[in-house]
Amino acid sequence: SQQGEEDPQALSIQEGENATMNCSYKTSINNLQWYRQNSGRGLVHLILIRSNEREKHSGRLRVTLDTSKKSSSLLITASRAADTASYFCATVPLGSGGSNYKLTFGKGTLLTVNP
Amino acid sequence: EPEVTQTPSHQVTQMGQEVILRCVPISNHLYFYWYRQILGQKVEFLVSFYNNEISEKSEIFDDQFSVERPDGSNFTLKIRSTKLEDSAMYFCASSGAPLGEQFFGPGTRLTVL
Repeated sequence: SQQGEEDPQALSIQEGENATMNCSYKTSINNLQWYRQNSGRGLVHLILIRSNEREKHSGRLRVTLDTSKKSSSLLITASRAADTASYFCATVPLGSGGSNYKLTFGKGTLLTVNP
Repeated sequence: EPEVTQTPSHQVTQMGQEVILRCVPISNHLYFYWYRQILGQKVEFLVSFYNNEISEKSEIFDDQFSVERPDGSNFTLKIRSTKLEDSAMYFCASSGAPLGEQFFGPGTRLTVL
């Protein structure tokens, strides 16, 4: 099964609009993390949300988590051209024991914010 | 702000050659990881490392791969005999706590010819 599937695959909006990206996963998780990647560059950590949390905010970012539906969403408000990037969700499975905390990534959503 | 660094940023090598990718994790972190991303594909887990030993490795991480923490700051990934399909971006990550945020380096783009 594939863990961490984002939709849409691509999203194009105008500057100032809000962007919502969704992530679904199949197995129970300990936490879910969102990352941003500019083209050909490294992964920037955005937010971590734990399985017992429902919502988290960081600046213009809002993440929700619905463990009953095994889904999460990332909302970017008042988008800017600089927000143009790929956004990935990554999960740590529940029951991760010892020191095994690998992340399983989705394919990502490519967000384009047009000036 | 502390960050993970990786060198080199780009490595070109001939098939069959050995490469060593280097990472300097955030200084007080204890959990270290290597991931890779083949162009256009998902980021894939390779290996996790804690307390000077491998915690888990994926199916990709076969006998051609090894990791080492040779001193208190560096964390290296060695590919003994590179193949064409090893061409990818390799990311190092570190975390200060189990189940905490994993902070990624900028990556090393490996091209195997």
